[in-house]
Amino acid sequence: DQQVKQNSPSLSVQEGRISILNCDYTNSMFDYFLWYKKYPAEGPTFLISISSIKDKNEDGRFTVFLNKSAKHLSLHIVPSQPGDSAVYFCAASQGYKLVFGAGTILRVKS
Amino acid sequence: DTAVSQTPKYLVTQMGNDKSIKCEQNLGHDTMYWYKQDSKKFLKIMFSYNNKELIINETVPNRFSPKSPDKAHLNLHINSLELGDSAVYFCASSQAGPSGRNEQFFGPGTRLTVL
Repeated sequence: DQQVKQNSPSLSVQEGRISILNCDYTNSMFDYFLWYKKYPAEGPTFLISISSIKDKNEDGRFTVFLNKSAKHLSLHIVPSQPGDSAVYFCAASQGYKLVFGAGTILRVKS
Repeated sequence: DTAVSQTPKYLVTQMGNDKSIKCEQNLGHDTMYWYKQDSKKFLKIMFSYNNKELIINETVPNRFSPKSPDKAHLNLHINSLELGDSAVYFCASSQAGPSGRNEQFFGPGTRLTVL
Protein backbone atom coordinates (compact mmCIF):
# COMPACT_ATOMS: atom_id res chain seq x y z
CA ASP A 1 0.00 0.00 0.00
CA GLN A 2 1.81 3.06 -1.28
CA GLN A 3 1.13 6.06 0.91
CA VAL A 4 3.30 8.34 -1.25
CA LYS A 5 3.03 8.13 -5.03
CA GLN A 6 5.02 9.68 -7.81
CA ASN A 7 3.11 8.67 -10.90
CA SER A 8 5.56 9.98 -13.49
CA PRO A 9 8.60 7.70 -13.74
CA SER A 10 10.45 10.23 -15.87
CA LEU A 11 10.36 13.79 -17.16
CA SER A 12 12.38 15.46 -19.89
CA VAL A 13 12.74 19.27 -20.00
CA GLN A 14 14.71 21.75 -22.05
CA GLU A 15 17.39 23.77 -20.27
CA GLY A 16 16.01 27.10 -19.04
CA ARG A 17 12.41 25.89 -18.91
CA ILE A 18 10.37 24.93 -15.85
CA SER A 19 10.43 21.40 -14.44
CA ILE A 20 7.36 20.31 -12.46
CA LEU A 21 7.52 17.11 -10.45
CA ASN A 22 4.38 15.81 -8.81
CA CYS A 23 3.62 13.75 -5.74
CA ASP A 24 0.39 12.45 -4.18
CA TYR A 25 -0.14 11.05 -0.71
CA THR A 26 -2.93 9.26 1.12
CA ASN A 27 -2.17 9.69 4.84
CA SER A 28 -3.46 12.98 6.25
CA MET A 29 -1.32 12.49 9.39
CA PHE A 30 1.91 13.39 7.59
CA ASP A 31 3.23 16.63 9.10
CA TYR A 32 6.10 17.49 6.75
CA PHE A 33 6.93 16.78 3.15
CA LEU A 34 10.45 16.68 1.78
CA TRP A 35 12.07 16.46 -1.62
CA TYR A 36 15.33 14.64 -2.10
CA LYS A 37 17.61 14.56 -5.12
CA LYS A 38 19.71 11.53 -6.00
CA TYR A 39 22.58 11.14 -8.43
CA PRO A 40 23.70 7.64 -9.58
CA ALA A 41 25.86 5.75 -7.08
CA GLU A 42 25.22 8.37 -4.38
CA GLY A 43 22.81 8.65 -1.48
CA PRO A 44 19.77 10.95 -1.64
CA THR A 45 20.42 14.55 -0.58
CA PHE A 46 17.85 16.85 0.95
CA LEU A 47 16.55 19.59 -1.33
CA ILE A 48 13.58 21.40 0.18
CA SER A 49 10.69 20.75 2.55
CA ILE A 50 7.28 22.11 3.44
CA SER A 51 5.21 21.90 6.59
CA SER A 52 1.68 20.57 6.29
CA ILE A 53 0.38 23.92 7.57
CA LYS A 54 1.94 25.85 4.68
CA ASP A 55 1.04 25.91 1.02
CA LYS A 56 4.30 27.14 -0.47
CA ASN A 57 8.01 27.17 0.31
CA GLU A 58 10.66 28.68 -1.91
CA ASP A 59 14.45 28.30 -1.94
CA GLY A 60 16.25 29.84 -4.88
CA ARG A 61 15.23 28.04 -8.08
CA PHE A 62 13.19 25.47 -6.13
CA THR A 63 9.60 25.95 -4.96
CA VAL A 64 7.37 23.37 -3.38
CA PHE A 65 3.58 23.75 -3.41
CA LEU A 66 1.22 21.84 -1.16
CA ASN A 67 -2.48 21.33 -1.82
CA LYS A 68 -3.71 19.66 1.35
CA SER A 69 -7.29 19.19 0.23
CA ALA A 70 -6.09 17.30 -2.85
CA LYS A 71 -3.29 15.56 -0.92
CA HIS A 72 -0.93 16.70 -3.64
CA LEU A 73 2.41 18.44 -3.74
CA SER A 74 4.66 19.58 -6.52
CA LEU A 75 8.25 20.70 -6.92
CA HIS A 76 8.97 23.47 -9.42
CA ILE A 77 12.49 24.08 -10.69
CA VAL A 78 12.96 27.35 -12.58
CA PRO A 79 15.07 27.67 -14.64
CA SER A 80 16.07 24.06 -15.13
CA GLN A 81 19.77 23.37 -15.60
CA PRO A 82 21.57 20.27 -16.94
CA GLY A 83 23.03 19.67 -13.45
CA ASP A 84 19.47 19.20 -12.18
CA SER A 85 19.30 15.89 -14.06
CA ALA A 86 18.82 13.31 -11.31
CA VAL A 87 16.16 11.19 -9.60
CA TYR A 88 13.83 13.22 -7.38
CA PHE A 89 12.13 11.54 -4.44
CA CYS A 90 9.14 12.90 -2.63
CA ALA A 91 9.00 11.90 1.06
CA ALA A 92 6.46 12.39 3.84
CA SER A 93 7.33 12.62 7.51
CA GLN A 94 5.41 11.07 10.36
CA GLY A 95 7.32 11.03 13.62
CA TYR A 96 10.64 9.31 13.14
CA LYS A 97 9.60 7.79 9.84
CA LEU A 98 10.04 9.07 6.26
CA VAL A 99 7.86 7.41 3.63
CA PHE A 100 9.26 7.75 0.13
CA GLY A 101 7.71 7.73 -3.31
CA ALA A 102 9.25 5.70 -6.13
CA GLY A 103 11.06 8.68 -7.61
CA THR A 104 10.94 10.60 -10.90
CA ILE A 105 13.93 10.71 -13.24
CA LEU A 106 14.44 14.28 -14.47
CA ARG A 107 16.50 14.84 -17.61
CA VAL A 108 17.34 18.43 -18.50
CA LYS A 109 18.50 18.74 -22.09
CA SER A 110 20.94 21.45 -23.12
CA ASP B 1 34.86 15.11 5.83
CA THR B 2 32.11 12.57 5.12
CA ALA B 3 28.96 13.07 7.19
CA VAL B 4 27.45 9.58 6.84
CA SER B 5 29.76 6.81 5.66
CA GLN B 6 29.08 3.17 4.87
CA THR B 7 31.38 0.24 4.26
CA PRO B 8 31.66 -1.59 2.04
CA LYS B 9 30.33 0.25 -1.02
CA TYR B 10 29.96 -3.00 -2.97
CA LEU B 11 29.40 -6.50 -1.59
CA VAL B 12 29.13 -9.62 -3.74
CA THR B 13 28.52 -12.88 -1.93
CA GLN B 14 27.01 -16.33 -2.25
CA MET B 15 23.60 -17.45 -1.05
CA GLY B 16 23.65 -18.73 2.50
CA ASN B 17 26.55 -16.55 3.64
CA ASP B 18 26.42 -14.08 6.54
CA LYS B 19 27.56 -10.49 5.96
CA SER B 20 27.66 -7.15 7.73
CA ILE B 21 27.42 -3.55 6.55
CA LYS B 22 28.77 -0.77 8.75
CA CYS B 23 27.57 2.80 9.07
CA GLU B 24 29.03 5.78 10.90
CA GLN B 25 27.86 9.38 11.18
CA ASN B 26 29.85 12.36 12.46
CA LEU B 27 26.94 14.81 12.57
CA GLY B 28 26.18 14.31 16.25
CA HIS B 29 22.69 13.04 15.40
CA ASP B 30 20.68 10.95 17.83
CA THR B 31 18.78 8.87 15.28
CA MET B 32 20.05 6.46 12.62
CA TYR B 33 18.24 4.42 9.99
CA TRP B 34 18.63 1.57 7.53
CA TYR B 35 16.77 1.69 4.23
CA LYS B 36 16.54 -0.84 1.41
CA GLN B 37 16.20 0.29 -2.20
CA ASP B 38 14.95 -2.63 -4.20
CA SER B 39 14.85 -3.26 -7.96
CA LYS B 40 11.71 -1.11 -8.26
CA LYS B 41 13.73 1.77 -6.76
CA PHE B 42 11.51 2.24 -3.69
CA LEU B 43 13.36 3.40 -0.59
CA LYS B 44 11.86 1.48 2.30
CA ILE B 45 12.66 1.95 5.96
CA MET B 46 13.88 -1.18 7.71
CA PHE B 47 15.09 -0.07 11.14
CA SER B 48 15.73 3.03 13.18
CA TYR B 49 17.65 3.59 16.40
CA ASN B 50 17.40 6.62 18.65
CA ASN B 51 20.22 6.92 21.20
CA LYS B 52 21.02 3.22 20.75
CA GLU B 53 17.40 2.14 21.27
CA LEU B 54 15.39 0.45 18.52
CA ILE B 55 12.41 2.66 17.65
CA ILE B 56 11.39 1.42 14.20
CA ASN B 57 11.37 -2.23 13.21
CA GLU B 58 9.45 -2.71 10.00
CA THR B 59 8.36 -6.07 8.64
CA VAL B 60 11.82 -7.39 7.88
CA PRO B 61 12.94 -11.05 8.04
CA ASN B 62 14.66 -11.82 11.33
CA ARG B 63 17.76 -12.77 9.31
CA PHE B 64 18.39 -9.00 9.41
CA SER B 65 19.71 -7.75 12.73
CA PRO B 66 20.75 -4.15 13.37
CA LYS B 67 23.23 -3.29 16.09
CA SER B 68 24.05 0.14 17.48
CA PRO B 69 27.18 0.10 19.68
CA ASP B 70 26.87 3.87 20.20
CA LYS B 71 24.77 6.64 18.72
CA ALA B 72 27.30 7.36 15.96
CA HIS B 73 27.26 3.81 14.59
CA LEU B 74 24.55 1.53 13.24
CA ASN B 75 25.56 -1.77 11.68
CA LEU B 76 23.41 -4.23 9.75
CA HIS B 77 24.09 -7.94 9.95
CA ILE B 78 22.39 -10.32 7.52
CA ASN B 79 22.34 -14.08 8.08
CA SER B 80 21.74 -16.78 5.49
CA LEU B 81 21.67 -14.41 2.53
CA GLU B 82 19.05 -15.03 -0.16
CA LEU B 83 18.82 -13.90 -3.78
CA GLY B 84 16.02 -11.49 -2.86
CA ASP B 85 18.32 -9.63 -0.49
CA SER B 86 20.14 -8.17 -3.49
CA ALA B 87 19.53 -4.43 -3.29
CA VAL B 88 21.16 -1.14 -2.36
CA TYR B 89 21.16 -0.51 1.38
CA PHE B 90 21.31 3.07 2.62
CA CYS B 91 22.16 4.27 6.08
CA ALA B 92 20.86 7.66 7.22
CA SER B 93 20.89 9.85 10.30
CA SER B 94 18.84 12.75 11.62
CA GLN B 95 18.24 14.90 14.67
CA ALA B 96 14.64 13.74 14.64
CA GLY B 97 12.01 13.87 17.33
CA PRO B 98 8.54 12.33 17.47
CA SER B 99 7.30 15.12 15.21
CA GLY B 100 8.80 17.64 12.83
CA ARG B 101 10.67 17.87 9.60
CA ASN B 102 12.97 14.87 10.15
CA GLU B 103 15.56 15.88 7.56
CA GLN B 104 17.66 12.78 7.09
CA PHE B 105 21.23 12.66 5.81
CA PHE B 106 22.08 9.61 3.74
CA GLY B 107 25.22 7.62 3.20
CA PRO B 108 26.39 6.66 -0.30
CA GLY B 109 24.78 3.22 -0.18
CA THR B 110 26.03 -0.37 -0.22
CA ARG B 111 25.17 -2.40 -3.30
CA LEU B 112 24.68 -6.00 -2.18
CA THR B 113 24.61 -8.72 -4.82
CA VAL B 114 23.75 -12.25 -3.77
CA LEU B 115 24.70 -14.95 -6.30
